[in-house]
Amino acid sequence: NAGVTQTPKFQVLKTGQSMTLQCAQDMNHNSMYWYRQDPGMGLRLIYYSASEGTTDKGEVPNGYNVSRLNKREFSLRLESAAPSQTSVYFCAIQGFYEQYFGPGTRLTVT
Amino acid sequence: DQQVKQNSPSLSVQEGRISILNCDYTNSMFDYFLWYKKYPAEGPTFLISISSIKDKNEDGRFTVFLNKSAKHLSLHIVPSQPGDSAVYFCAASFSGNNRKLIWGLGTSLAVNP
Repeated sequence: NAGVTQTPKFQVLKTGQSMTLQCAQDMNHNSMYWYRQDPGMGLRLIYYSASEGTTDKGEVPNGYNVSRLNKREFSLRLESAAPSQTSVYFCAIQGFYEQYFGPGTRLTVT
Repeated sequence: DQQVKQNSPSLSVQEGRISILNCDYTNSMFDYFLWYKKYPAEGPTFLISISSIKDKNEDGRFTVFLNKSAKHLSLHIVPSQPGDSAVYFCAASFSGNNRKLIWGLGTSLAVNP
């Protein structure tokens, strides 16, 4: 997971609370991604950013917002957390073909 | 509609034997295929890939085979080791999709000593 960092590693929220998951890269890649992983569901794309200043919806964007303020950082915001957003969240960056992942944030919403 | 399918949720093999993980796809536009390995509490890590112009790619104990006519690829691990126990994801991409990866649901491999 070298090159992609995520904070925090763990978070517990109450329903309705908000939080921002942070992702940063030091590999100077253009495209960045946010995924969630749930048991039996594989990796589902929430949002992605093809370049600084641009963002697009993925497969499961509802309940999330993102921000790509610079090339290095891509944040994911939950404005009003719901129990259905309990999951493990991964940030990834795009190489030419491969994606490289951060270590993940384990989020529990009670 | 699942464009990349891993039909076996789990697989168990004995140490030293061959592990074969399978993946099927439906989109003929895919031109690059990747395998990722994921340990619990870690992010997925890239393992091996293959271009659609090839039918085999080998890297140490790991070999990926591609059968384009059957829209099928497989990952062979020989010999299997207990440290190979992980979830393996198959993924595919094509240039018209900005190289976004389309993922299978994963196969959990257990290698028993």
